[in-house]
This record gives sequence, structure tokens and C-alpha cells, in this order.
Amino acid sequence: EPEVTQTPSHQVTQMGQEVILRCVPISNHLYFYWYRQILGQKVEFLVSFYNNEISEKSEIFDDQFSVERPDGSNFTLKIRSTKLEDSAMYFCASEGAGQPQHFGDGTRLSIL
Amino acid sequence: RKEVEQDPGPFNVPEGATVAFNCTYSNSASQSFFWYRQDCRKEPKLLMSVYSSGNEDGRFTAQLNRASQYISLLIRDSKLSDSATYLCVVSNTGNQFYFGTGTSLTVIP
Repeated sequence: EPEVTQTPSHQVTQMGQEVILRCVPISNHLYFYWYRQILGQKVEFLVSFYNNEISEKSEIFDDQFSVERPDGSNFTLKIRSTKLEDSAMYFCASEGAGQPQHFGDGTRLSIL
Repeated sequence: RKEVEQDPGPFNVPEGATVAFNCTYSNSASQSFFWYRQDCRKEPKLLMSVYSSGNEDGRFTAQLNRASQYISLLIRDSKLSDSATYLCVVSNTGNQFYFGTGTSLTVIP
């Protein structure tokens, strides 16, 4: 069964540094998402992406965050200047037409 | 008011029991509804979509009540492997998805 893959599985970064989280969605999917889950808390929507542009974003997704699909396969989330409170599990998901979302395994981001 | 509310539990039930989870949502314009399960420190995995007429998949039955803005999940004949957190997920007219905090289920031998 096709899968959403995310790399790295764990990223440790100093506060203030930039970090890029990578995702390879399922190949024929059209909609792409990023979510985060702070330890012990609920999954929170960050952003959805369709047709090479952001279609929705939450209030969490401020100017520090950006997304890109640079080469038609990877879907990246960049955090420009990380803060301690950015520590969380970040999940990528993709969705085909008329299908539910499939999630990747997640990247655990630890900010020191 | 939260977009999606769930009873966090925990629910501790014996094997073979029937257990029901409830979820309410605040936006009457919500369009799509799902139940996901999440094992500890793993990604959410789709359990089932929820349709207006209600739907069943094996031991799992989902119901939607649009008038009351209420979704339910019924698990019959609980197995040890059903132990997980069950997430109610609602999406609006755009591509924005809201997760509940999840309901924790432990099935006891």
C-alpha cells in the first residue's frame, strides 16, 4: 500500500535555527497537509496545500512557517527561527480526490 | 468554544465489551467526518469515515446526527488490540480539519 514518508524521524535543533521537515506524499494525491501534536495534546491543523498554493492555514501557521513543493514530489515545512514551543511531533498528510487523508509517521522536532 | 469536543476518558473495558464514544462539533457547516485511531506516539490512522446514514465496518459502527452536531463510534466485542486513542475529526467547506483531543480506550484481559 502506498505510504506518506517523512524525514527525518527525529530532528534536534538549537532555538533560533531554521529547520526544514520533509514529506513525500502518495504520488497521485492532490492535497497536502501539515499538522503538529505537542506531547500529550491534540493534533492541530497547520496548513493545507493544493495546486501549488496554500488553501487554508491556522492561526498557528504564522510568518515563521512556510511550505513548499519544490520538485513535484517533496512537500516541505520550514520553520525560520525555531522557538522552544515549536517542539512537537509534526505530521504530514496527503489526500487523493474523494479519499480520506493518509498520514506519515511524523517527525519529532526537539528544540533546545 | 472548541471546534470538536470529545470525552477524553479514559475508558477501561473488559475484552468482549461494547463501548461507545461521542463527539460534538460546533460548526454547523461542517462537511466531512471521520474517526481516526492513534496509538501511543504514532501517527493517526483512519478508522472510518462517517456518513449521514450511518455506517458499519465489522465491529465498528459510526453515526452522524447533523441536527445535534453529534458523532458517535460504537465498538462491539472489544479486543485487546482496540486499545488506543480514538480521534474525532471534522472538516469544514475548505481543506481545514479539526481534531478532537481524543478518547483513550484500554481493553483489559
